[in-house]
Amino acid sequence: DQQVKQNSPSLSVQEGRISILNCDYTNSMFDYFLWYKKYPAEGPTFLISISSIKDKNEDGRFTVFLNKSAKHLSLHIVPSQPGDSAVYFCAAPLGANNLFFGTGTRLTVIP
Amino acid sequence: KAGVTQTPRYLIKTRGQQVTLSCSPISGHRSVSWYQQTPGQGLQFLFEYFSETQRNKGNFPGRFSGRQFSNSRSEMNVSTLELGDSALYLCASSLGLLADNEQFFGPGTRLTVL
Repeated sequence: DQQVKQNSPSLSVQEGRISILNCDYTNSMFDYFLWYKKYPAEGPTFLISISSIKDKNEDGRFTVFLNKSAKHLSLHIVPSQPGDSAVYFCAAPLGANNLFFGTGTRLTVIP
Repeated sequence: KAGVTQTPRYLIKTRGQQVTLSCSPISGHRSVSWYQQTPGQGLQFLFEYFSETQRNKGNFPGRFSGRQFSNSRSEMNVSTLELGDSALYLCASSLGLLADNEQFFGPGTRLTVL
């Protein structure tokens, strides 16, 4: 049972435009969320995180929004660049027991 | 500082065989976690080792096992391989326990079971 879901397996965006990657979760115990970026043949790298006490966290071109009532978070990349083309995973830890990942969304930024 | 390294990078096995994958964490990191990545399931947590002890285990059968050595290097073993075990196996290290520390991932081992 997927507790963290990314329903869009892929997304294509024109360079310079905004990329919006979505993530839904089912477990209301999650209180911290992370986004990872993965290039082919490399392991995921941490991108940005958000605590449930916030509804927004911004780091340069990357902003994560959290809607706790909807159990939904999104990653905004603006402006999108070709180097942003990668697979993006959202993840949520649960205590010391587990780290739940979504299935990933492949972002392609078209030059 | 060297990153997380995994060996081998690619591996081809046949059904029924067993395989051992190796992970060397970043120097000073004591926690090593293993993940399986498949297209349909995404990243799934296998287990976490800290100070040579398995701290947490995901929902995988007993064919999947691991261990951690005193230098924090870790190995993962899969016995009686099945076709569905074909995946990218990622190892991640962190300074302390998974829940409290940022993880750094290795490049992964691509296992193909024929």
